[in-house]
Amino acid sequence: SQQGEEDPQALSIQEGENATMNCSYKTSINNLQWYRQNSGRGLVHLILIRSNEREKHSGRLRVTLDTSKKSSSLLITASRAADTASYFCAIYLGAGSYQLTFGKGTKLSVIP
Amino acid sequence: GAGVSQSPRYKVTKRGQDVALRCDPISGHVSLYWYRQALGQGPEFLTYFNYEAQQDKSGLPNDRFSAERPEGSISTLTIQRTEQRDSAMYRCASSPRASGRSFDGNEQFFGPGTRLTVL
Repeated sequence: SQQGEEDPQALSIQEGENATMNCSYKTSINNLQWYRQNSGRGLVHLILIRSNEREKHSGRLRVTLDTSKKSSSLLITASRAADTASYFCAIYLGAGSYQLTFGKGTKLSVIP
Repeated sequence: GAGVSQSPRYKVTKRGQDVALRCDPISGHVSLYWYRQALGQGPEFLTYFNYEAQQDKSGLPNDRFSAERPEGSISTLTIQRTEQRDSAMYRCASSPRASGRSFDGNEQFFGPGTRLTVL
């Protein structure tokens, strides 16, 4: 399967702590994206990192990409209760491909 | 501005009935995608439209599933002769650019989904 695989499957932390989620994949990609899904709601795009980028920041989010290891990580700093959600990585292969391939997600619980 | 909308939000049907799920993408978005998401899983690709052209339907599970986007805007996913295994959340997404090219960012904007339950 080409899909991204998130690790861990579930993560529980205290408010204010940092949360790190990892994603591994098996094939060459054009870009990798992270999405958040709150309970019972739609997916929201968080950040996109291209294959020629190594690190990207957006507010309290930091994403890294290591194409040699075919892995990415999402770091959420100073977590808040509102960050409680499932986080998915999705890979986009690029030319000739139309779809995003999602992993199974990491369920993050931030305890107030 | 308005995001992607889907209707109905919930659909309960009996096995063997046909259902039609509607997606209204963000105005002006070229690309439209359908995904299916089982509980505890990530979305699984079903099909992709570039304007009105269905360019990839490789994810449709079988010939009971079909989709159309006749005017390049609203799309309908139809499931004929529904079965219990079709029960899932069906999600639609749109993107401002065409997909399939090397430098396409392909960020997708998702709708709230339609929860389909087949009894």
